[in-house]
Amino acid sequence: GENVEQHPSTLSVQEGDSAVIKCTYSDSASNYFPWYKQELGKRPQLIIDIRSNVGEKKDQRIAVTLNKTAKHFSLHITETQPEDSAVYFCAALYTGNQFYFGTGTSLTVIP
Amino acid sequence: DTEVTQTPKHLVMGMTNKKSLKCEQHMGHRAMYWYKQKAKKPPELMFVYSYEKLSINESVPSRFSPECPNSSLLNLHLHALQPEDSALYLCASSLSDEQFFGPGTRLTVL
Repeated sequence: GENVEQHPSTLSVQEGDSAVIKCTYSDSASNYFPWYKQELGKRPQLIIDIRSNVGEKKDQRIAVTLNKTAKHFSLHITETQPEDSAVYFCAALYTGNQFYFGTGTSLTVIP
Repeated sequence: DTEVTQTPKHLVMGMTNKKSLKCEQHMGHRAMYWYKQKAKKPPELMFVYSYEKLSINESVPSRFSPECPNSSLLNLHLHALQPEDSALYLCASSLSDEQFFGPGTRLTVL
């Protein structure tokens, strides 16, 4: 079936360092790839997304890159801060309005 | 109004109860979704409604019954649930691709 693989499952970084999370999808027809941040007990919140007509998108300390040929995309967070600590999910939009999520990455930023 | 709302926030029910979860959005979105999320796991797609018609049912047991009365409302009717159905139930909506989540209903089945 369709799936999205996400690595790593846990990630600890020192405050100020960068964090990178990677995802791979299987449906070559997918053209929309959002990233969500979920804090404990809260809803997933969209932090950045990318569509298949671009290879990179940046929003302040957050960037996403997409390689359509290899079917993978990555989240980059620079100058990490303690408030970046959360679970991050990638997702891919498949045919028929179906979103499939990666397994999640628990990010801890150590002050 | 630029958000998705869900009621109730918390629900505790027995295995013989019948209850309903409600979701509402007034952003004119035409696709609405139900997800189930267990602790430390990703949201798991249950149902997709597109233009008020059920377009996706991800092999969800019949004890979960979705309903879309109109373009702004989405319900999830629950009957004869099992303890393993305890989870956070998230509703979401989208206009084209960007998806907006509601705050969820924390369901506990005793």
